[in-house]
Amino acid sequence: DTAVSQTPKYLVTQMGNDKSIKCEQNLGHDTMYWYKQDSKKFLKIMFSYNNKELIINETVPNRFSPKSPDKAHLNLHINSLELGDSAVYFCASSPPGLAGKYFGPGTRLTVL
Amino acid sequence: RKEVEQDPGPFNVPEGATVAFNCTYSNSASQSFFWYRQDCRKEPKLLMSVYSSGNEDGRFTAQLNRASQYISLLIRDSKLSDSATYLCVVNPSTGFQKLVFGTGTRLLVSP
Repeated sequence: DTAVSQTPKYLVTQMGNDKSIKCEQNLGHDTMYWYKQDSKKFLKIMFSYNNKELIINETVPNRFSPKSPDKAHLNLHINSLELGDSAVYFCASSPPGLAGKYFGPGTRLTVL
Repeated sequence: RKEVEQDPGPFNVPEGATVAFNCTYSNSASQSFFWYRQDCRKEPKLLMSVYSSGNEDGRFTAQLNRASQYISLLIRDSKLSDSATYLCVVNPSTGFQKLVFGTGTRLLVSP
């Protein structure tokens, strides 16, 4: 009965590698997001998709490429990983209107 | 100036105490406001929305002062399980949601 799920939960990789994180929601929401929480616990939006269309891109390096095959899925692909990419990445979804969001459990990415 | 500012704490209180957190936001056109709770190594979870008239949910009371751009959260009769980081969150836009998070206030409730 998981609402927003992400895989993998943990990801440890070397600098320069390419990796992907997957996200799925079964809430029927139209809008999905990726957030990054850094080592200082600051949570910042990266991308937002509404019905598979990109609507928010917050000046994220183009090494990060989101893909939404359908409105229930929003994946994040990261090329040429850097040390500064180490963080927890949260996927989220929300219903229409001004309601709050539902977050996935997070993916803890460590770049060595 | 940060878009959403909070005292990072930690606030150390005994069980049963009343504790209040404050938050200020910089964008006067902000449309909606929330408090989220985040436990250690977990995802943020919506605690409550904050309405202009103030609202209460059990032991939790949220207040909004648009003129001062100030939001508060009051927790009465603190429980050990209230220990967490409380995130003040603002949606500055009228369109699609773009939540802006404060860095959080850490609460530690002790026996």
